[in-house]
Amino acid sequence: GEDVEQSLFLSVREGDSSVINCTYTDSSSTYLYWYKQEPGAGLQLLTYIFSNMDMKQDQRLTVLLNKKDKHLSLRIADTQTGDSAIYFCAEIPTGGGNKLTFGTGTQLKVEL
Amino acid sequence: DAGVIQSPRHEVTEMGQEVTLRCKPISGHNSLFWYRQTMMRGLELLIYFNNNVPIDDSGMPEDRFSAKMPNASFSTLKIQPSEPRDSAVYFCASSLGLAGGQETQYFGPGTRLLVL
Repeated sequence: GEDVEQSLFLSVREGDSSVINCTYTDSSSTYLYWYKQEPGAGLQLLTYIFSNMDMKQDQRLTVLLNKKDKHLSLRIADTQTGDSAIYFCAEIPTGGGNKLTFGTGTQLKVEL
Repeated sequence: DAGVIQSPRHEVTEMGQEVTLRCKPISGHNSLFWYRQTMMRGLELLIYFNNNVPIDDSGMPEDRFSAKMPNASFSTLKIQPSEPRDSAVYFCASSLGLAGGQETQYFGPGTRLLVL
């Protein structure tokens, strides 16, 4: 299939690290993205990684890319209640025009 | 920059009525995308434009849906006639371009459509 897969739910305690995982479909995808969607809001671009990189760090966010396994992860350090949201990974597959293919989204719940 | 602007933010209408959703992309962006988000189907790309020209409309569900981009700063998505199954959140996104590092898409806040 052509699905980008994510687990549906993740619950963590405030202050812990969160790791959200994604398996994508096209090993030739040039860019891979993480978007955040808060309740009732639009999609906010969090970060992206170019396919020739293994890791990208941006403040509390760390993106890891394993091209061999087509696995992408987003680590949020020191998770806060404001991080509670749905997180989508997305790719632009080769030959897919400019069609962003989104995962199903992972709902992150941060508990006190 | 104000980001991608969409209007209205919420729309409630009755089945059979015409619905027009509007989008203003980020200034200087040449590519514009329309998505639909539902619980059942997640995020789906409906259509996208580059330099005001529709490039791929294969995601448009049926002939009741149409989209236009008369100029670089404005696009509309129209549903006529609307049906209850069209109820969803419709997002507009824009990017600098389609390749060469310009592909990153920025999303608007969405229009929440409810068709009764």
